[in-house]
Amino acid sequence: AQSVSQHNHHVILSEAASLELGCNYSYGGTVNLFWYVQYPGQHLQLLLKYFSGDPLVKGIKGFEAEFIKSKFSFNLRKPSVQWSDTAEYFCAVNRASNTGKLIFGQGTTLQVKP
Amino acid sequence: SQTIHQWPATLVQPVGSPLSLECTVEGTSNPNLYWYRQAAGRGLQLLFYSVGIGQISSEVPQNLSASRPQDRQFILSSKKLLLSDSGFYLCAWSGRGQQYFGPGTRLTVL
Repeated sequence: AQSVSQHNHHVILSEAASLELGCNYSYGGTVNLFWYVQYPGQHLQLLLKYFSGDPLVKGIKGFEAEFIKSKFSFNLRKPSVQWSDTAEYFCAVNRASNTGKLIFGQGTTLQVKP
Repeated sequence: SQTIHQWPATLVQPVGSPLSLECTVEGTSNPNLYWYRQAAGRGLQLLFYSVGIGQISSEVPQNLSASRPQDRQFILSSKKLLLSDSGFYLCAWSGRGQQYFGPGTRLTVL
């Protein structure tokens, strides 16, 4: 069965530190990859997505993610975090040919200290 | 523009009571609709999805059911709630290559 694994469950950083959140998935076919974010008190929203093409994807608010097919990974990065990046981050995968069903990772809570 | 509504926002129910959570979507037609649950300390788990009126697929065996009586209405129900049904329930629709989520309902079963 498909699964998504996020290695960091709770990350605490100071402002201006660099961020990398790991995400690995298990599925051998063609997949679409997503990172979603949920800021405190807000809806879950899309940060970025990868369908095909350039494996380095840029999203909103300075985030980017790199798809490495050989490692089944889609890690999220940001060079310099801000206090406003405090949120919960979810990696998600769906098969390119299915009805759009998403398989989510467990989520990573990021706390940025001012 | 498209919007998605869920209600109620919070709900506290006793064990054994029935449940009905409603989700409606505006601004789009014939969307794929989804119900997810986020239990404490866990990620989001897909419970049901629907590709059209009356068409429901269940992803995990459980105490819940879903119905889609109208094109843009998706309902999550239970006849008798269990303690393990507590969690945060999210409705979503898909379009333009991504899913859009509602505000969620926080359900506490006591």
